[in-house]
Amino acid sequence: DAGVTQSPTHLIKTRGQQVTLRCSPKSGHDTVSWYQQALGQGPQFIFQYYEEEERQRGNFPDRFSGHQFPNYSSELNVNALLLGDSALYLCASHERGEAFFGQGTRLTVV
Amino acid sequence: QKEVEQNSGPLSVPEGAIASLNCTYSDRGSQSFFWYRQYSGKSPELIMFIYSNGDKEDGRFTAQLNKASQYVSLLIRDSQPSDSATYLCAVSLSFQKLVFGTGTRLLVSP
Repeated sequence: DAGVTQSPTHLIKTRGQQVTLRCSPKSGHDTVSWYQQALGQGPQFIFQYYEEEERQRGNFPDRFSGHQFPNYSSELNVNALLLGDSALYLCASHERGEAFFGQGTRLTVV
Repeated sequence: QKEVEQNSGPLSVPEGAIASLNCTYSDRGSQSFFWYRQYSGKSPELIMFIYSNGDKEDGRFTAQLNKASQYVSLLIRDSQPSDSATYLCAVSLSFQKLVFGTGTRLLVSP
């Protein structure tokens, strides 16, 4: 059984561009959360999707948006990229209250 | 006051010693508590979770929770160089949203 998978693993974008990150949860997991981890910091909660709806949202601007598909996979979109958006973006899927993380997408904004 | 606080370290211990990692949290409504290990450049890996006051042991790891003091700790017995990593404390609030501390860097010297 594959765990949580994310794509791409690394990405370089220019300031002002838009980016889409993708996540496939573990088999049978219907809840997906996204986190941003800046260098030297703990992960920060962006939002969570359940049954194709955004269930919770952290303190992130509207430039960050997402989507969940009927197969429970999810996308994170970031518009108008800023240098400060450079971070490791983590996707997690949930089972019995435990969160399992994918390998992350390292986004660098130049 | 940060929601979840950890000493950033580094905490240095010799091989074979007990490493003690501490975490305090501010929200008394917190229900679940997690310890994740994160190697440099990798995603967080769940080590242990604890829901009730007291101790929970799993192999060389023991998690301790004191809700009255809003304190969670992780003990690592017989520390190995391979345990060298950043340890993230996380607290679950509503709907499995995790709030992380900034992590404690552990260095185990041979």
